Amino acid sequence: SAVISQKPSRDICQRGTSLTIQCQVDSQVTMMFWYRQQPGQSLTLIATANQGSEATYESGFVIDKFPISRPNLTFSTLTVSNMSPEDSSIYLCSAGTGTETQYFGPGTRLLVL
Amino acid sequence: EDQVTQSPEALRLQEGESSSLNCSYTVSGLRGLFWYRQDPGKGPEFLFTLYSAGEEKEKERLKATLTKKESFLHITAPKPEDSATYLCAVQAEEYGNKLVFGAGTILRVKS
Repeated sequence: SAVISQKPSRDICQRGTSLTIQCQVDSQVTMMFWYRQQPGQSLTLIATANQGSEATYESGFVIDKFPISRPNLTFSTLTVSNMSPEDSSIYLCSAGTGTETQYFGPGTRLLVL
Repeated sequence: EDQVTQSPEALRLQEGESSSLNCSYTVSGLRGLFWYRQDPGKGPEFLFTLYSAGEEKEKERLKATLTKKESFLHITAPKPEDSATYLCAVQAEEYGNKLVFGAGTILRVKS
């Protein structure tokens, strides 16, 4: 199994600012993903972070709002840009290898005022 | 149309009262069905992966089973520490390597 850490664990931000969330995996993985979980709801995939190429975004999510980097096989960042209160959510990173199990990080709780 | 449906939405059990959670799916080309447990304020914790109909897996008081259209998570003699949200997710050929999650079942076990 993979152990995943995220930083920061939580943050309170002002509207109009940006926050970058880091995700570190303890081993090399093929796939890394970013999810959003709004209060009381299930997980929604934002994008697949591809190593060495642009991320693949799901419908309703765009690169300008959620730029993603993945410089190597163990690290990725998600930036939430020009934040509004609607961006208040838990952001989760997951990692896996192909069709095998995805393991999740502890999440980043974001509150936008 | 929801691809993954979990029921019930919420379940209250007395300690020791066994029950089952359901996850039904309508995707084609199932690659795997995953069960996760999520405690408040934490990321999902992996429990089981099932790949083919008829497969069963067990861990302590939990047992997961899979048919061609649904999966069950059986909880035998639950304890208060089993209280959590249980999430089901599927990986299917039509979605590539993505996981599609159900809405989850909130389980509360009272002593």
